[in-house]
Amino acid sequence: AQKITQTQPGMFVQEKEAVTLDCTYDTSDPSYGLFWYKQPSSGEMIFLIYQGSYDQQNATEGRYSLNFQKARKSANLVISASQLGDSAMYFCAMRESKTSYDKVIFGPGTSLSVIP
Amino acid sequence: NAGVTQTPKFQVLKTGQSMTLQCAQDMNHNSMYWYRQDPGMGLRLIYYSASEGTTDKGEVPNGYNVSRLNKREFSLRLESAAPSQTSVYFCASSLEGYSGGGLAKNIQYFGAGTRLSVL
Repeated sequence: AQKITQTQPGMFVQEKEAVTLDCTYDTSDPSYGLFWYKQPSSGEMIFLIYQGSYDQQNATEGRYSLNFQKARKSANLVISASQLGDSAMYFCAMRESKTSYDKVIFGPGTSLSVIP
Repeated sequence: NAGVTQTPKFQVLKTGQSMTLQCAQDMNHNSMYWYRQDPGMGLRLIYYSASEGTTDKGEVPNGYNVSRLNKREFSLRLESAAPSQTSVYFCASSLEGYSGGGLAKNIQYFGAGTRLSVL
């Protein structure tokens, strides 16, 4: 079964608008972490934001925020004021604590295109 | 501060050839990882090294071997390349190798990737 689901293979957003990238996850572990990574066309994987399952507040990092809804098991990434440089693939990932190593599971990704 | 450095960036092999992908990190991280990325499948873990001197299989280890040469370096070897190993390979490192009893904000930092084609 898919542990991480990203239902939007491709998304478009107008420059300066906000966009939400969806991520749902599946775990029975009460303690887990959620990550978002960005992969521009140049290929590198860039860490954006982290949310712990016990964190009281939604994580924010500059223009990135994570809309964490624990009961729904969703961890959507919100990018405010989109810029052309935000065009990239975005991966949601999860770490569960009940593993013998730092196992991070990645979703299939969402391609975001920012339109001028 | 270079972070995680992978070499080469591109490689074309013929079926049956061997090669080693190199990875080095300068962040004094304990743990290192090798992933492969295929279209529509995200990243899948091939091998990891939780600490210097240890290596273990990940999700898709068949056809690969690894060596944790020292704390900085973690190499991935394809002994007899197959077309199914055509992929983009990423090395990553993190401070700790496991979450332990508490869940730490243990970020995995990635190299720029190696694009490998096996003909």
